[in-house]
Amino acid sequence: KNEVEQSPQNLTAQEGEFITINCSYSVGISALHWLQQHPGGGIVSLFMLSSGKKKHGRLIATINIQEKHSSLHITASHPRDSAVYICAVRSYNTDKLIFGTGTRLQVFP
Amino acid sequence: DAGVTQSPTHLIKTRGQQVTLRCSPKSGHDTVSWYQQALGQEPQFIFQYYEEEERQRGNFPDRFSGHQFPNYSSELNVNALLLGDSALYLCASSLLGQGYEQYFGPGTRLTVT
Repeated sequence: KNEVEQSPQNLTAQEGEFITINCSYSVGISALHWLQQHPGGGIVSLFMLSSGKKKHGRLIATINIQEKHSSLHITASHPRDSAVYICAVRSYNTDKLIFGTGTRLQVFP
Repeated sequence: DAGVTQSPTHLIKTRGQQVTLRCSPKSGHDTVSWYQQALGQEPQFIFQYYEEEERQRGNFPDRFSGHQFPNYSSELNVNALLLGDSALYLCASSLLGQGYEQYFGPGTRLTVT
C-alpha cells in the first residue's frame, strides 16, 4: 500500500463545475503539499499545509491531521485547470517529499 | 526574483554515457533536492544537498551522484546510463527545515537511447 493515496485517479468535468480531489496518507507528516503539473511540464506548488485550510483564488485546500486526510477543491473549474494534481507529504522525520500518484483532471468547455 | 532554474531543458544520451544536469535554486534558498519522474509515474526522491553535503538519499544506485556549490547551485550526475534512466529530472529548492516550502524547477527531460 502506498504511503500517499489519491482519489480519483482520473476526473473529467464540465467548465464551471466544483471539483474535489482527495488525499490520504499513512505516515506522520510535518506538512502536505498540493502540486500541479501540466503535460510534459514541471511542477508548480499550489499549497503547503500543516493544519486547517488555505485559499488562493479558485483553489481551496484543507487538511485534517487527525484523520490523515486532505482535499483540494477547485471552484468554477475552467479548461485551463486541466492538469495532473499531486499530493505530496513531507515525512515528519525527514525533509524529503513522498508523492501520491496524482489525479489527472480534464475540464471541458 | 528568479525562481528555480534547470539546464538543459532536454537532452538525449546513449546507453553507457554520462550526463550532468544543473539546478540553480530560488534566491535565498540553501537546500536543493533532486527527484526523478518516469513517464506516467510520481516523482521519486533521489537526494538532497545542504551546505555542499549530501544530507539525505533515496533508493538510487551509486551511479547517481551530486554536488552542491558554495552559491547553492547543484549538479546531478548519472554515470553508465541505462534506458530506464529516461525520465524528467526535477530540482526543488527550499530553506533547510520542515516549515519551509519546496519550489520546483521546470525539469530536465532526459532520453536515453
